[in-house]
Amino acid sequence: AQKITQTQPGMFVQEKEAVTLDCTYDTSDPSYGLFWYKQPSSGEMIFLIYQGSYDQQNATEGRYSLNFQKARKSANLVISASQLGDSAMYFCAIRVYSGGGADGLTFGKGTHLIIQP
Amino acid sequence: DAGVTQSPTHLIKTRGQQVTLRCSPKSGHDTVSWYQQALGQGPQFIFQYYEEEERQRGNFPDRFSGHQFPNYSSELNVNALLLGDSALYLCASTLVGGYTIYFGEGSWLTVV
Repeated sequence: AQKITQTQPGMFVQEKEAVTLDCTYDTSDPSYGLFWYKQPSSGEMIFLIYQGSYDQQNATEGRYSLNFQKARKSANLVISASQLGDSAMYFCAIRVYSGGGADGLTFGKGTHLIIQP
Repeated sequence: DAGVTQSPTHLIKTRGQQVTLRCSPKSGHDTVSWYQQALGQGPQFIFQYYEEEERQRGNFPDRFSGHQFPNYSSELNVNALLLGDSALYLCASTLVGGYTIYFGEGSWLTVV
């Protein structure tokens, strides 16, 4: 079974500062993908970034980057130049690929990020 | 390009009743998954449908069942509702073999 640990229940950050949200994972499967989602109070899960276990480079999507440290089983999300609209819950998730298919996502408990002006 | 759409957005049911939630996947996607998110928790995987069959199931009782139609849309059915079934139910879609998974806005179910 897979497990995601997010150790920061909540974070307060000043606008325009960079933010790092922590995520560690546990799986015995060699082929997997790591995801980060943003969930505003409306409830929708917004896809931010993806990192495959065999990807050599860290993923980047605009202001979002994923600091992937495979040996440490760490997949931290970095948001550069934070904005007020970044305030939301952030979830890290893992998906294992095996037997020609893919499992459902396993999520962490999330980090509540609040950007202060 | 329409994203994942879910209906209804909010509903209230009584203990013991049955509920059906609906999902239309993102255009071009053929695989649909359902998740339950209790208040203050991360989403929990219920099951996944591909080619109109349940391909994988999480740790949920048989009261939770689903269906996928030929147009790839899907339904989640929950029988004999319990108070603990109150949650946000999220539908996600992807293309088989693809890695990007998109979610809908969810259906908020309250059981009283």
